[in-house]
Amino acid sequence: DTGVSQDPRHKITKRGQNVTFRCDPISEHNRLYWYRQTLGQGPEFLTYFQNEAQLEKSRLLSDRFSAERPKGSFSTLEIQRTEQGDSAMYLCASSFPPPGTEAFFGQGTRLTVV
Amino acid sequence: SQKIEQNSEALNIQEGKTATLTCNYTNYSPAYLQWYRQDPGRGPVFLLLIRENEKEKRKERLKVTFDTTLKQSLFHITASQPADSATYLCALARVGGYNKLIFGAGTRLAVHP
Repeated sequence: DTGVSQDPRHKITKRGQNVTFRCDPISEHNRLYWYRQTLGQGPEFLTYFQNEAQLEKSRLLSDRFSAERPKGSFSTLEIQRTEQGDSAMYLCASSFPPPGTEAFFGQGTRLTVV
Repeated sequence: SQKIEQNSEALNIQEGKTATLTCNYTNYSPAYLQWYRQDPGRGPVFLLLIRENEKEKRKERLKVTFDTTLKQSLFHITASQPADSATYLCALARVGGYNKLIFGAGTRLAVHP
């Protein structure tokens, strides 16, 4: 296992299109997080999964965003009807069950909406 | 509202000197504070964690202090090297918050030979 894997690394899409990103966490990690990062800012929390249950969603996550983690393994983040303001780096992180505290981040998916 | 502030300007230092980065927070009672390193186009990488009841933590050339009265953490890199050049992010987490992290904007460090 080489760490958290995200796919694709880059995505360019036209405004109004739907996009889906995938995250494969480290296999022993039951906690999975999605963050969004814009240029010059730190990552902002979007949502959290413990196993397959989505336990928290940020107010940043509008109705156009949906995330899933079927079977508690990989996760997907879908953005419907993309807008230019959705352009950002989408980061996935995972961590061990408690008392694990370190977050292991993937390389991110860079989304550009044109 | 909760706020985490890090030096917005880049920090430029000479190789071999000690780099000191600051993280201040308001309206927050963190259980622990973490520092991450982020290189351009890559995800953050965990460096150090310090808990609310700890004053100082060290790891090799890295040192973190945590003052919950001042609501401040200092991150030091001693004997800095050009390879230490990166953006350093401060992140806070609450007790029972399942490690949901609140990040500062980061400080860019440039170490010159």
